[in-house]
Amino acid sequence: AQSVTQLGSHVSVSEGALVLLRCNYSSSVPPYLFWYVQYPNQGLQLLLKYTSAATLVKGINGFEAEFKKSETSFHLTKPSAHMSDAAEYFCAVISNQAGTALIFGKGTTLSVSS
Amino acid sequence: NAGVTQTPKFRILKIGQSMTLQCTQDMNHNYMYWYRQDPGMGLKLIYYSVGAGITDKGEVPNGYNVSRSTTEDFPLRLELAAPSQTSVYFCASRIDSNNEQFFGPGTRLTVL
Repeated sequence: AQSVTQLGSHVSVSEGALVLLRCNYSSSVPPYLFWYVQYPNQGLQLLLKYTSAATLVKGINGFEAEFKKSETSFHLTKPSAHMSDAAEYFCAVISNQAGTALIFGKGTTLSVSS
Repeated sequence: NAGVTQTPKFRILKIGQSMTLQCTQDMNHNYMYWYRQDPGMGLKLIYYSVGAGITDKGEVPNGYNVSRSTTEDFPLRLELAAPSQTSVYFCASRIDSNNEQFFGPGTRLTVL
Protein backbone atom coordinates (compact mmCIF):
# COMPACT_ATOMS: atom_id res chain seq x y z
CA ALA A 1 0.00 0.00 0.00
CA GLN A 2 1.15 3.51 -0.66
CA SER A 3 1.81 5.88 2.19
CA VAL A 4 3.50 9.13 3.12
CA THR A 5 5.33 9.89 6.35
CA GLN A 6 6.18 13.41 7.38
CA LEU A 7 8.81 13.51 10.09
CA GLY A 8 8.09 16.18 12.67
CA SER A 9 4.62 17.56 13.22
CA HIS A 10 6.08 20.95 14.17
CA VAL A 11 9.18 22.71 12.89
CA SER A 12 10.34 26.08 14.21
CA VAL A 13 12.91 28.26 12.50
CA SER A 14 14.13 31.82 12.74
CA GLU A 15 13.52 34.27 9.95
CA GLY A 16 16.32 33.92 7.42
CA ALA A 17 17.19 30.36 8.46
CA LEU A 18 17.03 27.25 6.29
CA VAL A 19 13.70 25.48 6.13
CA LEU A 20 13.77 21.68 5.87
CA LEU A 21 10.54 19.69 5.98
CA ARG A 22 10.93 15.94 5.67
CA CYS A 23 8.79 13.55 3.66
CA ASN A 24 9.27 9.85 3.00
CA TYR A 25 7.01 7.81 0.80
CA SER A 26 6.18 4.21 0.18
CA SER A 27 5.00 3.19 -3.27
CA SER A 28 5.15 0.05 -5.36
CA VAL A 29 5.03 2.07 -8.56
CA PRO A 30 7.00 5.15 -9.64
CA PRO A 31 5.42 7.88 -7.55
CA TYR A 32 3.98 11.24 -8.40
CA LEU A 33 4.68 13.42 -5.36
CA PHE A 34 3.35 16.77 -4.25
CA TRP A 35 3.83 19.40 -1.59
CA TYR A 36 0.84 21.52 -0.64
CA VAL A 37 0.69 24.49 1.72
CA GLN A 38 -2.28 25.48 3.85
CA TYR A 39 -2.48 28.91 5.44
CA PRO A 40 -4.77 29.32 8.45
CA ASN A 41 -8.44 28.84 7.62
CA GLN A 42 -7.75 28.41 3.92
CA GLY A 43 -7.71 25.63 1.38
CA LEU A 44 -4.65 23.83 0.03
CA GLN A 45 -2.34 25.43 -2.50
CA LEU A 46 0.13 23.49 -4.62
CA LEU A 47 3.76 24.36 -3.88
CA LEU A 48 5.42 21.93 -6.27
CA LYS A 49 5.13 18.50 -7.82
CA TYR A 50 7.41 15.69 -8.95
CA THR A 51 6.31 13.81 -12.04
CA SER A 52 9.61 12.09 -13.00
CA ALA A 53 10.85 14.81 -15.36
CA ALA A 54 13.59 16.09 -13.02
CA THR A 55 14.68 15.05 -9.54
CA LEU A 56 15.10 18.63 -8.29
CA VAL A 57 11.79 20.42 -8.47
CA LYS A 58 11.37 24.15 -7.99
CA GLY A 59 8.09 25.54 -6.75
CA ILE A 60 6.50 28.78 -5.77
CA ASN A 61 7.71 31.16 -3.06
CA GLY A 62 11.32 29.96 -3.28
CA PHE A 63 10.64 26.38 -2.21
CA GLU A 64 12.21 23.36 -3.83
CA ALA A 65 12.25 19.61 -3.24
CA GLU A 66 14.56 16.81 -4.31
CA PHE A 67 13.31 13.36 -5.21
CA LYS A 68 15.68 10.66 -3.97
CA LYS A 69 14.58 7.21 -5.02
CA SER A 70 17.28 5.42 -3.02
CA GLU A 71 16.08 7.10 0.17
CA THR A 72 12.38 7.15 -0.83
CA SER A 73 12.37 10.80 0.17
CA PHE A 74 11.01 14.07 -1.15
CA HIS A 75 12.14 16.68 1.37
CA LEU A 76 11.06 20.31 1.01
CA THR A 77 13.59 23.09 1.48
CA LYS A 78 13.87 26.85 1.33
CA PRO A 79 17.20 28.62 1.85
CA SER A 80 15.85 31.54 3.84
CA ALA A 81 12.60 31.50 5.82
CA HIS A 82 10.22 34.42 5.78
CA MET A 83 7.54 35.19 8.31
CA SER A 84 4.92 34.64 5.62
CA ASP A 85 6.04 30.99 5.27
CA ALA A 86 4.35 30.12 8.57
CA ALA A 87 1.70 27.56 7.60
CA GLU A 88 0.95 23.87 7.51
CA TYR A 89 2.65 21.81 4.83
CA PHE A 90 1.45 18.53 3.43
CA CYS A 91 3.34 15.97 1.40
CA ALA A 92 1.20 13.72 -0.79
CA VAL A 93 1.53 10.87 -3.26
CA ILE A 94 -0.93 9.93 -5.98
CA SER A 95 -2.77 6.72 -5.29
CA ASN A 96 -2.55 4.06 -8.00
CA GLN A 97 -6.14 3.24 -7.12
CA ALA A 98 -9.11 5.34 -5.96
CA GLY A 99 -9.31 7.48 -9.06
CA THR A 100 -5.73 8.66 -8.55
CA ALA A 101 -6.71 10.52 -5.40
CA LEU A 102 -4.02 11.93 -3.16
CA ILE A 103 -2.67 10.12 -0.12
CA PHE A 104 -1.52 12.72 2.37
CA GLY A 105 0.96 12.78 5.16
CA LYS A 106 -0.20 14.10 8.52
CA GLY A 107 1.26 17.51 7.90
CA THR A 108 4.01 19.67 9.38
CA THR A 109 3.31 23.03 10.95
CA LEU A 110 6.08 25.52 10.25
CA SER A 111 6.56 28.39 12.69
CA VAL A 112 8.86 31.29 11.84
CA SER A 113 10.13 33.62 14.53
CA SER A 114 11.73 37.02 14.12
CA ASN B 1 -12.79 31.10 -13.53
CA ALA B 2 -14.01 30.80 -9.95
CA GLY B 3 -12.22 27.44 -9.63
CA VAL B 4 -13.64 25.12 -6.96
CA THR B 5 -16.31 26.64 -4.76
CA GLN B 6 -17.82 25.15 -1.62
CA THR B 7 -20.85 26.11 0.42
CA PRO B 8 -21.46 26.67 3.24
CA LYS B 9 -18.19 27.85 4.82
CA PHE B 10 -19.33 26.96 8.31
CA ARG B 11 -22.16 24.89 9.75
CA ILE B 12 -23.21 23.57 13.13
CA LEU B 13 -25.44 20.51 13.15
CA LYS B 14 -27.20 18.64 15.90
CA ILE B 15 -26.72 14.90 16.20
CA GLY B 16 -29.05 13.10 13.83
CA GLN B 17 -29.61 16.03 11.48
CA SER B 18 -28.79 15.81 7.81
CA MET B 19 -27.18 18.23 5.39
CA THR B 20 -25.58 18.53 1.99
CA LEU B 21 -22.20 20.11 1.41
CA GLN B 22 -22.08 21.67 -2.01
CA CYS B 23 -19.09 21.62 -4.36
CA THR B 24 -18.95 23.18 -7.81
CA GLN B 25 -16.10 23.60 -10.27
CA ASP B 26 -16.14 25.62 -13.48
CA MET B 27 -12.99 24.18 -15.06
CA ASN B 28 -14.69 21.26 -16.84
CA HIS B 29 -12.69 18.80 -14.74
CA ASN B 30 -13.83 15.23 -14.92
CA TYR B 31 -12.25 14.04 -11.67
CA MET B 32 -13.65 15.28 -8.36
CA TYR B 33 -12.87 14.32 -4.77
CA TRP B 34 -14.09 14.84 -1.23
CA TYR B 35 -11.58 14.81 1.62
CA ARG B 36 -11.94 15.41 5.32
CA GLN B 37 -9.23 16.99 7.42
CA ASP B 38 -8.88 16.26 11.11
CA PRO B 39 -6.19 17.86 13.32
CA GLY B 40 -2.90 16.02 13.13
CA MET B 41 -4.27 13.46 10.67
CA GLY B 42 -3.81 15.04 7.27
CA LEU B 43 -6.57 14.65 4.70
CA LYS B 44 -8.42 11.43 4.06
CA LEU B 45 -10.46 10.55 0.96
CA ILE B 46 -14.21 10.11 1.49
CA TYR B 47 -15.53 9.67 -2.06
CA TYR B 48 -14.40 10.37 -5.56
CA SER B 49 -15.83 10.62 -9.04
CA VAL B 50 -14.17 10.10 -12.42
CA GLY B 51 -17.00 11.66 -14.37
CA ALA B 52 -20.70 12.42 -14.38
CA GLY B 53 -22.67 9.41 -13.16
CA ILE B 54 -19.62 7.59 -11.78
CA THR B 55 -18.71 7.64 -8.09
CA ASP B 56 -16.81 5.35 -5.75
CA LYS B 57 -15.83 5.08 -2.11
CA GLY B 58 -12.57 6.27 -0.67
CA GLU B 59 -10.89 5.44 2.61
CA VAL B 60 -13.55 6.81 5.01
CA PRO B 61 -16.98 6.67 3.30
CA ASN B 62 -19.17 5.56 6.21
CA GLY B 63 -21.92 8.03 7.05
CA TYR B 64 -21.67 9.86 3.72
CA ASN B 65 -23.19 9.68 0.27
CA VAL B 66 -22.43 11.45 -2.99
CA SER B 67 -23.90 11.94 -6.42
CA ARG B 68 -22.54 13.33 -9.66
CA SER B 69 -25.33 14.22 -12.04
CA THR B 70 -23.33 16.92 -13.84
CA THR B 71 -19.66 17.53 -14.57
CA GLU B 72 -19.69 20.70 -12.46
CA ASP B 73 -21.33 19.55 -9.22
CA PHE B 74 -20.32 16.94 -6.64
CA PRO B 75 -22.45 17.27 -3.48
CA LEU B 76 -21.64 15.36 -0.29
CA ARG B 77 -24.58 14.23 1.83
CA LEU B 78 -24.57 13.49 5.55
CA GLU B 79 -27.74 11.63 6.47
CA LEU B 80 -27.48 11.23 10.25
CA ALA B 81 -24.85 13.54 11.60
CA ALA B 82 -22.61 12.22 14.36
CA PRO B 83 -19.96 13.97 16.48
CA SER B 84 -17.30 11.90 14.68
CA GLN B 85 -18.15 13.83 11.52
CA THR B 86 -16.95 17.09 13.02
CA SER B 87 -14.21 18.04 10.60
CA VAL B 88 -13.16 20.33 7.80
CA TYR B 89 -14.29 19.09 4.41
CA PHE B 90 -12.45 19.85 1.21
CA CYS B 91 -13.57 19.29 -2.34
CA ALA B 92 -10.99 19.03 -5.11
CA SER B 93 -10.96 18.50 -8.84
CA ARG B 94 -8.55 17.80 -11.65
CA ILE B 95 -8.56 17.29 -15.38
CA ASP B 96 -7.69 13.95 -16.93
CA SER B 97 -4.41 15.13 -18.46
CA ASN B 98 -2.96 16.75 -15.33
CA ASN B 99 -2.30 15.20 -11.93
CA GLU B 100 -2.59 18.48 -10.05
CA GLN B 101 -5.70 18.74 -7.89
CA PHE B 102 -7.34 22.09 -7.25
CA PHE B 103 -8.91 22.53 -3.84
CA GLY B 104 -11.89 24.50 -2.65
CA PRO B 105 -11.74 26.70 0.47
CA GLY B 106 -13.35 24.08 2.69
CA THR B 107 -16.43 23.70 4.86
CA ARG B 108 -15.97 23.62 8.62
CA LEU B 109 -18.62 21.36 10.15
CA THR B 110 -19.34 20.90 13.83
CA VAL B 111 -21.77 18.26 15.08
CA LEU B 112 -23.02 18.74 18.63
